[in-house]
Amino acid sequence: QVQLVQSGAEVGKPGASVKISCKASGYSFSNYYMHWMRQAPGQGLEWMGLINANGVGTNYAPTFQGRVTMTRDTSTSTDYMELSSLSSDDTAVYFCARTQAVAGTTFYFDFWGQGTLVTVSS
Amino acid sequence: QSALTQPASVSESPGQSITISCTGSSRDVGAYNYVSWYQQFPGKAPQLMIYDVNKRPSGVSSRFSGSKAGNTASLTISGLQAEDEADYYCSSYTKSSTWVFGGGTKLTVL
Repeated sequence: QVQLVQSGAEVGKPGASVKISCKASGYSFSNYYMHWMRQAPGQGLEWMGLINANGVGTNYAPTFQGRVTMTRDTSTSTDYMELSSLSSDDTAVYFCARTQAVAGTTFYFDFWGQGTLVTVSS
Repeated sequence: QSALTQPASVSESPGQSITISCTGSSRDVGAYNYVSWYQQFPGKAPQLMIYDVNKRPSGVSSRFSGSKAGNTASLTISGLQAEDEADYYCSSYTKSSTWVFGGGTKLTVL
């Protein structure tokens, strides 16, 4: 069955970086884009960007451009999202979710990771 | 990219129907039939309920339906049940090749 398993909770200091992982299983990893979203406490969902199915291209939301880096390791079917220059506004739960890239591109998130809490605190 | 506009909360009695609106613009909701809806319980990941405006994934109850008119999409839940009480989010693909979410609607089943 399809599973997206994210790494555990992180605590980061202001100005530092945090890197979260999302390990995929149960499907053809290279046939899907991976997206990252976040949800601040008590707030709604915010789309951060995606990494292409081939792991080469990325598309970041303007809000995060220059501060986010998404990478893919096809050998382990794992995607990574690194966010730098952390501030208290980055305290949130971060989710990975996939969309289909081949045999008909899709524009909806059919499977999600369980979420990773990132707390920014000095 | 501004978030799509949803009512903050809706409430209705069991057995009744509710409709949650999701208003965007000609650059997102109105541009494509790529609106999706997600149900989220506290502390859990969102779950896909409707995709491509009005399609239901396998396993989602037929009580859930979606529609769109112009720049506004809607999610309708008929025959409300206590288990439907959750937060609901709409999402749309945009002309900038990005995605945008609504602010979320808290559904209370009275």
